[in-house]
Amino acid sequence: NAGVTQTPKFQVLKTGQSMTLQCAQDMNHNSMYWYRQDPGMGLRLIYYSASEGTTDKGEVPNGYNVSRLNKREFSLRLESAAPSQTSVYFCASEPGQGKRNSPLHFGNGTRLTVT
Amino acid sequence: AQSVTQLGSHVSVSEGALVLLRCNYSSSVPPYLFWYVQYPNQGLQLLLKYTSAATLVKGINGFEAEFKKSETSFHLTKPSAHMSDAAEYFCAAGLGAQKLVFGQGTRLTINP
Repeated sequence: NAGVTQTPKFQVLKTGQSMTLQCAQDMNHNSMYWYRQDPGMGLRLIYYSASEGTTDKGEVPNGYNVSRLNKREFSLRLESAAPSQTSVYFCASEPGQGKRNSPLHFGNGTRLTVT
Repeated sequence: AQSVTQLGSHVSVSEGALVLLRCNYSSSVPPYLFWYVQYPNQGLQLLLKYTSAATLVKGINGFEAEFKKSETSFHLTKPSAHMSDAAEYFCAAGLGAQKLVFGQGTRLTINP
C-alpha cells in the first residue's frame, strides 16, 4: 500500500521556468492538500481540494495553480518559478471532506530549488 | 488570526531523559489537536490526536500529550528519550473554519 506518492523527489528550476508537481493517493480519500515547508515557518497550506472537482485557496496560493484530475490525483503547477518558491512541497490526503478532526496522510515531499 | 505556537525551535536532551515539547494554540473554542513527527527526508507521520474524549492522549513510540483548556496547551512528553526519537515535531490544530494550522516545528536532538 503506497499511500501518498509524490513525484519528482528533487527538482532544480531556473527563474521563469514552469513545472508540475504530481501527487497520487491510493487510499480512496476525498480531500487532498498541498503544503510548503520552510525553515522556522512550519507547513503552510497552498491549495486544497475537499472533493473531486473542487479546489480552494489556502494561506499562500499566489504563484501556484492546482488541478484535481480525479479522486486519486492532485497536481500543483508553478507557471513561472521564482526563487521565493524554493521550498519542500508536501502533498497530503484525508478521508473526510475537510473536517477539522481528520488526520492527514503525507507524501515524502518534493525538494524544489529555483535559481 | 488563530494560531499554533511551539515554544523552542530546537530542544536537546540526553538519552534516557524526559522529553517535553511545548505547544499552545489560540482559539476560543477547543480545537482538534495533533502532533506529527518528521524524520529526515520523509513526510509527516501522525503521533497522536486529541478529539475531546480524554485530556491525556497516548500516541505511538511512547509519546503522550495532555490537553489543558485553561492553559490552551497541548504539550508532548515522553518519559525516557531514545536516540531514535531525534526528529522534527509539529503541533497542529483544526481551528474554527480554518483548515489544519501547523506550528513552526521543534527539532529534537538526543545526546548520547
